[in-house]
Amino acid sequence: AQRVTQPEKLLSVFKGAPVELKCNYSYSGSPELFWYVQYSRQRLQLLLRHISRESIKGFTADLNKGETSFHLKKPFAQEEDSAMYYCALSGLGAGNMLTFGGGTRLMVKP
Amino acid sequence: KAGVTQTPRYLIKTRGQQVTLSCSPISGHRSVSWYQQTPGQGLQFLFEYFSETQRNKGNFPGRFSGRQFSNSRSEMNVSTLELGDSALYLCASSLGYGTSGSYDEQFFGPGTRLTVL
Repeated sequence: AQRVTQPEKLLSVFKGAPVELKCNYSYSGSPELFWYVQYSRQRLQLLLRHISRESIKGFTADLNKGETSFHLKKPFAQEEDSAMYYCALSGLGAGNMLTFGGGTRLMVKP
Repeated sequence: KAGVTQTPRYLIKTRGQQVTLSCSPISGHRSVSWYQQTPGQGLQFLFEYFSETQRNKGNFPGRFSGRQFSNSRSEMNVSTLELGDSALYLCASSLGYGTSGSYDEQFFGPGTRLTVL
């Protein structure tokens, strides 16, 4: 069975500090991995996906198949980064069926 | 372009009743997926519809059902409501034309908050 784990429910950092949101997954194959973000009073939205290898709003994430991880990183956190972050997985052939992690609330303090 | 809309936004029902939630996708999108979000279980996939056909299904009991109309609007129905069905139900739409089995970016609605008393 596929599973996504985000070990931290809450991560609090100061503005300008580096951020790393952890995501580990279990899946017997090559999944597609995503990070979704939900800002206060806004809808859940896609932040980035591993196949695009883009940096969005300064965030990057590298898929490590050996460690089955897809950690989200940003070198310098901004207050506007405060939000709920969800890691998600789509299995091979599963199309739009996403398996989400429990989410990590990131708080960036001034 | 208007986003995904869900109606109603809030709903209160009692145990044993049934409920129907509605989702209108972004214009031109033909795939609609439904998710249940609860504090205990997080976000869980219910089902996906594309061109009026169920394309994927999550691990939920048969009390949860859905359908999609020719205009791509979708409804989900929960029969014989239980207290544990209290949740935020999210709908997401996508173009749906990705290669068979591949992921196609989904855009989420604001959700319908269902409370079962």
